[in-house]
Amino acid sequence: DGGITQSPKYLFRKEGQNVTLSCEQNLNHDAMYWYRQDPGQGLRLIYYSQIVNDFQKGDIAEGYSVSREKKESFPLTVTSAQKNPTAFYLCASSSATENTGELFFGEGSRLTVL
Amino acid sequence: GQSLEQPSEVTAVEGAIVQINCTYQTSGFYGLSWYQQHDGGAPTFLSYNALDGLEETGRFSSFLSRSDSYGYLLLQELQMKDSASYFCAPYTGRRALTFGSGTRLQVQP
Repeated sequence: DGGITQSPKYLFRKEGQNVTLSCEQNLNHDAMYWYRQDPGQGLRLIYYSQIVNDFQKGDIAEGYSVSREKKESFPLTVTSAQKNPTAFYLCASSSATENTGELFFGEGSRLTVL
Repeated sequence: GQSLEQPSEVTAVEGAIVQINCTYQTSGFYGLSWYQQHDGGAPTFLSYNALDGLEETGRFSSFLSRSDSYGYLLLQELQMKDSASYFCAPYTGRRALTFGSGTRLQVQP
């Protein structure tokens, strides 16, 4: 079955540690995105990538980093520079060639800083 | 600048019709998407309007007026399972969706 897989589903981190969230898709989509969601809030765009080896900052990129070395993979690293990293992180993908406004989301990764 | 407004909460009863409005201000507007998200889950795509007018998909319809920078989601024959958050999301020139804060819909028996 095609889809997006995020891992881990739950992650606990000590302050000062970097963590990497995995996002893999087998939908053959060119575009991939990372969003952050805080309780009761909307989704805020962290980074996005329209093509392999290229990515752009979203609205809240500070304290995060990404890479796009393969079409299928778009990992997100939450660095120690992110002051308030506890949140629900959602990865999504879309077909860059079909402008349908439809993103396919993974099940999310819930990060808690202890 | 960029702004997105939708009501924070809406309450309705089973079987009723509810309309969730969305006004936006963005640059490079391509279209407006709507998503549903149940508590603890991932957003799921409902509809996308690239052109003015009404798009109907089963019990859900979505409307767009580009000249007014306005859209709405219409939910008919409400069911308890429709209790969720609903987000409008303009698709903009940077080729990414911007999500609003969402409207929490509570359907009561």
